[in-house]
Amino acid sequence: QQQVKQSPQSLIVQKGGIPIINCAYENTAFDYFPWYQQFPGKGPALLIAIRPDVSEKKEGRFTISFNKSAKQFSLHIMDSQPGDSATYFCAPRAGTYKYIFGTGTRLKVLA
Amino acid sequence: DTEVTQTPKHLVMGMTNKKSLKCEQHMGHRAMYWYKQKAKKPPELMFVYSYEKLSINESVPSRFSPECPNSSLLNLHLHALQPEDSALYLCASSHPVEGAGNTIYFGEGSWLTVV
Repeated sequence: QQQVKQSPQSLIVQKGGIPIINCAYENTAFDYFPWYQQFPGKGPALLIAIRPDVSEKKEGRFTISFNKSAKQFSLHIMDSQPGDSATYFCAPRAGTYKYIFGTGTRLKVLA
Repeated sequence: DTEVTQTPKHLVMGMTNKKSLKCEQHMGHRAMYWYKQKAKKPPELMFVYSYEKLSINESVPSRFSPECPNSSLLNLHLHALQPEDSALYLCASSHPVEGAGNTIYFGEGSWLTVV
């Protein structure tokens, strides 16, 4: 019930493209839905997060779409740049301290 | 730059050695975490301290021993590790706010190699 399914595993897009990364979950007790970005050799950093009472949130070029009934949320990166090449993790929260990380998506943006 | 500082950045240790990883944050957070991350895998939660008390232990082997000397510091003591324990060890901190979106801030990690 804690499982989080993230897709795709890897993604290659051209500069300016709009990569979309999806996360599906089963646990209806998740109460906070962040995405983390991790560059090689660095720790994950919070990119954007959404609460379950909101269906969409935009911060700069990054957008989260949240579908509570389908138990899915996705990350969209507008006008993607080579500097966005990184690994992205969804990590919905199950309780105050437990973030359940997805398996990760390795994104490569070609120049 | 991250406000969670981890030392050392790299550590090589033998299976009979005793070493420690250190973590410090000055954001006033009262929850601190240790995660383990293997290559091309997501971070896995190991321990959580809340208000300097151990709150979560994810059934971690006793060769890993956490310590929280004060609200800003978190240590992970290592003893008799196995080669499969080689990984990136991430420290993180957050406000222990229940019911609201508390953000976890990660350090850059300590790369551990057990030989």
